[in-house]
Amino acid sequence: GENVEQHPSTLSVQEGDSAVIKCTYSDSASNYFPWYKQELGKGPQLIIDIRSNVGEKKDQRIAVTLNKTAKHFSLHITETQPEDSAVYFCAASRKKYQAGTALIFGKGTTLSVSS
Amino acid sequence: NAGVTQTPKFQVLKTGQSMTLQCAQDMNHNSMYWYRQDPGMGLRLIYYSASEGTTDKGEVPNGYNVSRLNKREFSLRLESAAPSQTSVYFCASSEDRDRRAYEQYFGPGTRLTVT
Repeated sequence: GENVEQHPSTLSVQEGDSAVIKCTYSDSASNYFPWYKQELGKGPQLIIDIRSNVGEKKDQRIAVTLNKTAKHFSLHITETQPEDSAVYFCAASRKKYQAGTALIFGKGTTLSVSS
Repeated sequence: NAGVTQTPKFQVLKTGQSMTLQCAQDMNHNSMYWYRQDPGMGLRLIYYSASEGTTDKGEVPNGYNVSRLNKREFSLRLESAAPSQTSVYFCASSEDRDRRAYEQYFGPGTRLTVT
């Protein structure tokens, strides 16, 4: 069935290093790819998103790249800081439903940034 | 502007008991969603509502019912709780204009334990 694979499940980096999280999706109709950050005890919060007509998007230290042919998209965080430590989820839109657009989520990556 | 609010924050039920999880948003969004989050599983869609008066099943609807009471409120009901429904439940809303997906805003979650 339709799914989103996310790797790695855990990632530990030193403060100042870069972190990369990768996702692949299976539904060729997906055209919206958000990334969410979830801190302990809170709901997920959008950090960046990209649509299928764009190959790359950047917002300060965060960037997302999309390869529609390979059905891959990646999150890049540069100059990591301890406050970047959280669980990150990728997601892809799905057109399966008659109306409205729901998301299918990856299983998450726990990022730990040590100082 | 409170965003998405959920009640209660925590709940413990015995097997077979029923309860309703409440969700409200003040952003005038058309679409609302219920997800469950289990360790290592990411977020899985239970039900969604594309507009007031409509509801549809997501990936894991069995054992749940929903009501879109009005544009602001979307409730999730467990008629006969089972231990497998122990989870963290998140409500979300989004604008979804013109069949384009937009950012989903999440509530703080309800931690439910069924014994």
